[in-house]
Amino acid sequence: AQSVTQLDSQVPVFEEAPVELRCNYSSSVSVYLFWYVQYPNQGLQLLLKYLSGSTLVKGINGFEAEFNKSQTSFHLRKPSVHISDTAEYFCAVSGPNTGNQFYFGTGTSLTVIP
Amino acid sequence: DVKVTQSSRYLVKRTGEKVFLECVQDMDHENMFWYRQDPGLGLRLIYFSYDVKMKEKGDIPEGYSVSREKKERFSLILESASTNQTSMYLCASKTSGNEQFFGPGTRLTVL
Repeated sequence: AQSVTQLDSQVPVFEEAPVELRCNYSSSVSVYLFWYVQYPNQGLQLLLKYLSGSTLVKGINGFEAEFNKSQTSFHLRKPSVHISDTAEYFCAVSGPNTGNQFYFGTGTSLTVIP
Repeated sequence: DVKVTQSSRYLVKRTGEKVFLECVQDMDHENMFWYRQDPGLGLRLIYFSYDVKMKEKGDIPEGYSVSREKKERFSLILESASTNQTSMYLCASKTSGNEQFFGPGTRLTVL
C-alpha cells in the first residue's frame, strides 16, 4: 500500500509571505497526486492534481505544486498567502496500482497571521 | 455543478444504537467512498463501492457496514455505535478522471 507523509502538522506564516507545504509519498511507480484544502466545518475541495505531463501543476487560488519523481515529493507552494488561505491541507496519492483507493496524508494546518 | 450531499451535518447517538449515514451524489459516478477523519490521523478509508451492490473494505472496516442499492446513494451503517466511533465522516465520489468530490461531512458524537 502507498503511504503519504506530510512532515509539518502546523505551519504558521505571515500574510503576504510565501509558503511551502511538504508532501512525500512512498512508491516510485506510476502515481497520481493531489492536494486538497479543507476549510473549517467543510468537506475537502480539490486544489490541484498531477496525472501526467508537466511536472509543475497550477491550481486554484494561486497555488502550485511540483512533482519530483526522484525525490517522490509533491510540495505545495504559494508565493503570497492571504488570511483566507487559513485551512487544513491534505496531500493524496492514487494511481493505476492502487485500484480505486486514494491514500491521504495526515494534513497540514496552515495559519496565516495578519 | 457537482454535488455530494450527506444526510446530517451533526449527529449525536448513544452507545449501542444503530446509526445510518447517507450520502447522495448527482454526477452518475460509479465509485463512492466513506472515510473517517480524526485529528492527527488524516483521512482513513472505511469502505468503497465501485458499482451498485459492490463494495470493498478499506483500511478500517471493523464496526462498519455499507449499502449501495442505487448508483447515486451510498450508506454507511454503524451496527452498534461505540464511543471510539466518534469522528467526522466524509463521503466522496470519483470521476473517471481520478478526481474525488467530497460531501460536507457528518460530525458524529457517540455518548
